[in-house]
Amino acid sequence: DTEVTQTPKHLVMGMTNKKSLKCEQHMGHRAMYWYKQKAKKPPELMFVYSYEKLSINESVPSRFSPECPNSSLLNLHLHALQPEDSALYLCASSRGYGLDTIYFGEGSWLTVV
Amino acid sequence: GNSVTQMEGPVTLSEEAFLTINCTYTATGYPSLFWYVQYPGEGLQLLLKATKADDKGSNKGFEATYRKETTSFHLEKGSVQVSDSAVYFCALIRTGANSKLTFGKGITLSVRP
Repeated sequence: DTEVTQTPKHLVMGMTNKKSLKCEQHMGHRAMYWYKQKAKKPPELMFVYSYEKLSINESVPSRFSPECPNSSLLNLHLHALQPEDSALYLCASSRGYGLDTIYFGEGSWLTVV
Repeated sequence: GNSVTQMEGPVTLSEEAFLTINCTYTATGYPSLFWYVQYPGEGLQLLLKATKADDKGSNKGFEATYRKETTSFHLEKGSVQVSDSAVYFCALIRTGANSKLTFGKGITLSVRP
């Protein structure tokens, strides 16, 4: 089983709203990732959690706030977003950071209005 | 640094045609190589991978061979179907602690009946 589950699949939010994206994996992976993808472009890395600790923040604006409650769950809290933040947000996991294959979820389509 | 170069697209083929999508890479050390596929409206799926020179990855009729001498990982399929229409990303990771997944730009494949 190589499944990464993301909810919600679609989200529309206003610029003053607060919402969260959720991600879950049960593969025993110890690295989890958030990526942002714009149409027809490759995914861009946002955050990496390794053993539930934030390892990488790719200079992401503070209106995006990641959280890793346990080794299976990863959240992305959203607040005061801008229309240009509209994109597909992909969660991913791997056995370890920099080790072997990264598996992606189906993504959450975010529209900021 | 690491980089992945994919041939320019888009590519349009007729059903049952032969497919080749070129991918070359630049990396230090011995990277692992991947092809990911993204069907319309979906997340990224791992299509195949190869972790060392001369390895051949294969899945769903697609194949790619890790060629260290030419630093290439070209994707091939003998007979494409309409259902293969998608965006294909070549990627690498230089195995080791804290290594990022590096993507090519991606190429859109359209298969017409």
